Amino acid sequence: AQSVTQPDIHITVSEGASLELRCNYSYGATPYLFWYVQSPGQGLQLLLKYFSGDTLVQGIKGFEAEFKRSQSSFNLRKPSVHWSDAAEYFCAVLNNAGNMLTFGGGTRLMVKP
Amino acid sequence: DAGVTQSPTHLIKTRGQQVTLRCSPKSGHDTVSWYQQALGQGPQFIFQYYEEEERQRGNFPDRFSGHQFPNYSSELNVNALLLGDSALYLCASSRGQPPYGYTFGSGTRLTVV
Repeated sequence: AQSVTQPDIHITVSEGASLELRCNYSYGATPYLFWYVQSPGQGLQLLLKYFSGDTLVQGIKGFEAEFKRSQSSFNLRKPSVHWSDAAEYFCAVLNNAGNMLTFGGGTRLMVKP
Repeated sequence: DAGVTQSPTHLIKTRGQQVTLRCSPKSGHDTVSWYQQALGQGPQFIFQYYEEEERQRGNFPDRFSGHQFPNYSSELNVNALLLGDSALYLCASSRGQPPYGYTFGSGTRLTVV
């Protein structure tokens, strides 16, 4: 069965500092991977996705993620965090049939001024 | 172009009651998926509907049922509500089978008392 682990429940960074959110997945085949962001009381917004090809993918809002098959990881990065980036971030893997997303438990990002 | 619309945004029900949540997919989308997000957790897949049929189901009891209408909109029904059913219910729409891109609504916050 597929699974996603986000080891960090909470992360606090200073505004302007770099950010890396960790994601590890368990999946038997080539994974389709996603990062979503959720602001309080809101739905999920897609930041970026990886299906195949270049292992470094660019997303919206200056985010990027790197797929590392050998480490079963898909970590999210941003070189300079803005206060508006404070939110909950979810990593997810899609099954081969493309009809079920499995999410990690999420990482709550807080940004210090 | 309207995105995914869910109604109601909030509701409170009593244990043992039944509830119906509604979702209108994004224009051009024909597939609807439902997710349950308990407080402090990642979303969990309930089921997906395509061509008015349930195509995939997650690990949820039969108390959870759904329907898709010819206009692609969908309903999620939950019978015999339990306190543990309190959660944010998210609807996601997509196009085609298999669907590889999902747009999420803002959710319905269900509180069972």
